Amino acid sequence: EPEVTQTPSHQVTQMGQEVILRCVPISNHLYFYWYRQILGQKVEFLVSFYNNEISEKSEIFDDQFSVERPDGSNFTLKIRSTKLEDSAMYFCASSPLGGADSYEQYFGPGTRLTVT
Amino acid sequence: GDSVTQMEGPVTLSEEAFLTINCTYTATGYPSLFWYVQYPGEGLQLLLKATKADDKGSNKGFEATYRKETTSFHLEKGSVQVSDSAVYFCALPSRTGGFKTIFGAGTRLFVKA
Repeated sequence: EPEVTQTPSHQVTQMGQEVILRCVPISNHLYFYWYRQILGQKVEFLVSFYNNEISEKSEIFDDQFSVERPDGSNFTLKIRSTKLEDSAMYFCASSPLGGADSYEQYFGPGTRLTVT
Repeated sequence: GDSVTQMEGPVTLSEEAFLTINCTYTATGYPSLFWYVQYPGEGLQLLLKATKADDKGSNKGFEATYRKETTSFHLEKGSVQVSDSAVYFCALPSRTGGFKTIFGAGTRLFVKA
């Protein structure tokens, strides 16, 4: 069964450094997403992406964040200058369609980002 | 805006006990409703879903019925196992613009042997 993959599974970085989290969505999906889950807290939406542009972003997704689909398979989340509070699990998701109610999003296993 | 409220955990049960995790929602219209499960150290997996009122979603012995009149989607299982220990998230797709899933806070379930 097709699945969303994410690399690395765990990233440790120092405050102020740039990190890139990588995702390979399911191949025939058109909509891509990033979510964040701070340890022990709820899963929060960061950004959605369709047709090579951002569809929606949350207030969390400030100028320090960017997303890109550099080729036909990868979808990346970049944090330019990491802060301690960016430490969280980051989930990538994809869906075949967006907005239509019945289409759930398929989630990857997550990347745990630790900022020291 | 759209939101999901679910009961706080943790919930601790003995094996073979009956499980209920309450979930209520606020939304425009009648969106699909989902339960996701997160096993220790793993990502989010869709457990079950219901796409319209009175639908019952079911999977792995878990069930949830979409109740429009009470705006609820409570998760139930008749006999839990140790392997059901996980965090359970109630969720719905946002209908207030954009394409995102809104999650409840999650309920951690511990099942003791």
